Amino acid sequence: RKEVEQDPGPFNVPEGATVAFNCTYSNSASQSFFWYRQDCRKEPKLLMSVYSSGNEDGRFTAQLNRASQYISLLIRDSKLSDSATYLCVVTPTDSWGKLQFGAGTQVVVTP
Amino acid sequence: ETGVTQSPTHLIKTRGQQVTLRCSSQSGHNTVSWYQQALGQGPQFIFQYYREEENGRGNFPPRFSGLQFPNYSSELNVNALELDDSALYLCASSLPGFHEQYFGPGTRLTVT
Repeated sequence: RKEVEQDPGPFNVPEGATVAFNCTYSNSASQSFFWYRQDCRKEPKLLMSVYSSGNEDGRFTAQLNRASQYISLLIRDSKLSDSATYLCVVTPTDSWGKLQFGAGTQVVVTP
Repeated sequence: ETGVTQSPTHLIKTRGQQVTLRCSSQSGHNTVSWYQQALGQGPQFIFQYYREEENGRGNFPPRFSGLQFPNYSSELNVNALELDDSALYLCASSLPGFHEQYFGPGTRLTVT
């Protein structure tokens, strides 16, 4: 079983619509959680950290469910520029410097 | 832009050769991590350097080695290249004790 699992998609989303997707992780002792965004053939860019209480950054909302070991990302009012691969990232407690990435969820926003 | 730079941008090598990739961290960041990203996969942690010492290593063989210099820049060396080493190699810098890491643009290595 992979340590971090994501639905690869693609999620095809009409412009202006809402899209949400989850990521599950296997290590219950994981310490920190992030969403990164990666455009085709570019480097990952930090989108947002995910806190236990949930957090929002503009049109993006992230939630953490420790009991069920998943995190979610919701994008409201999708823009064409939101088309990208969204990488779920977890930091194990025993190795704080190591980021564990999922394989990514592809989102395609269409006009 | 994160301020993390990597060189070269692209590289083509032959199986069995050796390669050195370079990374300059963001100003003030003294921790550098290296990742390998194969096509269609998420980045995989290779190792991390802090204060010129290796500070954690992923599941990569010893032919993957690294260095960090006093100015916090870093090198990744790969010996005896294999076809499966073809990937995007990413460098990320961070502050110690902070989990947020900021990535450079990567070096795309092709092994033929």
